[in-house]
Amino acid sequence: GAVVSQHPSWVICKSGTSVKIECRSLDFQATTMFWYRQFPKQSLMLMATSNEGSKATYEQGVEKDKFLINHASLTLSTLTVTSAHPEDSSFYICSAKDNRAHGYTFGSGTRLTVV
Amino acid sequence: QKEVEQDPGPLSVPEGAIVSLNCTYSNSAFQYFMWYRQYSRKGPELLMYTYSSGNKEDGRFTAQVDKSSKYISLFIRDSQPSDSATYLCAMNSGGSNYKLTFGKGTLLTVNP
Repeated sequence: GAVVSQHPSWVICKSGTSVKIECRSLDFQATTMFWYRQFPKQSLMLMATSNEGSKATYEQGVEKDKFLINHASLTLSTLTVTSAHPEDSSFYICSAKDNRAHGYTFGSGTRLTVV
Repeated sequence: QKEVEQDPGPLSVPEGAIVSLNCTYSNSAFQYFMWYRQYSRKGPELLMYTYSSGNKEDGRFTAQVDKSSKYISLFIRDSQPSDSATYLCAMNSGGSNYKLTFGKGTLLTVNP
């Protein structure tokens, strides 16, 4: 079945630094990937839609200069949290659609803690 | 009114019980319905995918869709402690719109 690999699974960084999260589709090509943010005991909030070879589409209220998305290949999308602050601490999850299957496959998530 | 409503629970049941989880939605354009299971600190895992109204069964899981009432359900038979997780309903209108709209998730605990 479709597998989406996300790294790192957790990261701690200092306030003001940048953090990059990778999302890879391992056995299929994904022209579109999605980035979500999830706060404790809350549902997934879509941040942006990542399109291979073009600019990402951000949801309303999401700062595109703060959350940089790059989808340079059909199997890799990256989310960079720039100048991270404690309020950026959250669980970030990516997902992709394998056209051979129904539904969307999610990565295992990245827990970001900014100190 | 939110597009998708889901009772967050928590829901606690004894092992072996039948569990019923539900979502309602307001957008009549939604055509594809999914149920995901999410364990703590993990990404969601697809459990069921349905398109049309009616029932779909997979092992101990049954997904039910009633488009006329804009209501979907997930039933878990013979629940096990390993079923303890958060269950999220998700849906979209398909076509060129691939974005999923999620419910808030229901936290389920199955007690041995």
